[in-house]
Amino acid sequence: DTAVSQTPKYLVTQMGNDKSIKCEQNLGHDTMYWYKQDSKKFLKIMFSYNNKELIINETVPNRFSPKSPDKAHLNLHINSLELGDSAVYFCASRQQGNTEAFFGQGTRLTVV
Amino acid sequence: QQQVKQSPQSLIVQKGGIPIINCAYENTAFDYFPWYQQFPGKGPALLIAIRPDVSEKKEGRFTISFNKSAKQFSLHIMDSQPGDSATYFCAAAGMDSSYKLIFGSGTRLLVRP
Repeated sequence: DTAVSQTPKYLVTQMGNDKSIKCEQNLGHDTMYWYKQDSKKFLKIMFSYNNKELIINETVPNRFSPKSPDKAHLNLHINSLELGDSAVYFCASRQQGNTEAFFGQGTRLTVV
Repeated sequence: QQQVKQSPQSLIVQKGGIPIINCAYENTAFDYFPWYQQFPGKGPALLIAIRPDVSEKKEGRFTISFNKSAKQFSLHIMDSQPGDSATYFCAAAGMDSSYKLIFGSGTRLLVRP
């Protein structure tokens, strides 16, 4: 009954590969986010979607491409993975009109 | 303008102590100030939040104090317990930026039995 679920939880891959992380929320929210948490635990927003439309795109390399097939899903595709992409990626969701954001359990990406 | 500064980086208290974590912001457009708690291997979870129209908010053992003129806010944990050991993040957000959360750098709290 997880509210915001991400798959996979762990991902180990080689430099140069392309990988995707999936996120689904069953809260009926219309806004979803991707955040990146680096090795120093610093959390920074990457993208935000509202009703499948991109509304926030922070300064993120264009190797990162989010896709929202419907308002319950927000996936993150990363091309040509680099060592510096190693981090924990969190999906979050919020209902427009409310302020509380709910986070998934994270995907730990390790690029070797 | 978008930064949220958090201190201290780490904090150790004895059980029953009152750890205090401080945050400061610059952007006056922020109108929502949450605190998130994160345990190892888990996502951040909302603990308590405040709007700038009040100076204090209490929920259970957790209290936010807010000073609008100083652009500072802090988290107090009363009667702290070992189970409170976690990393705490302050954050700020505003309606003008679709409530994207700008996080502080985090405080690792250890409560000793």
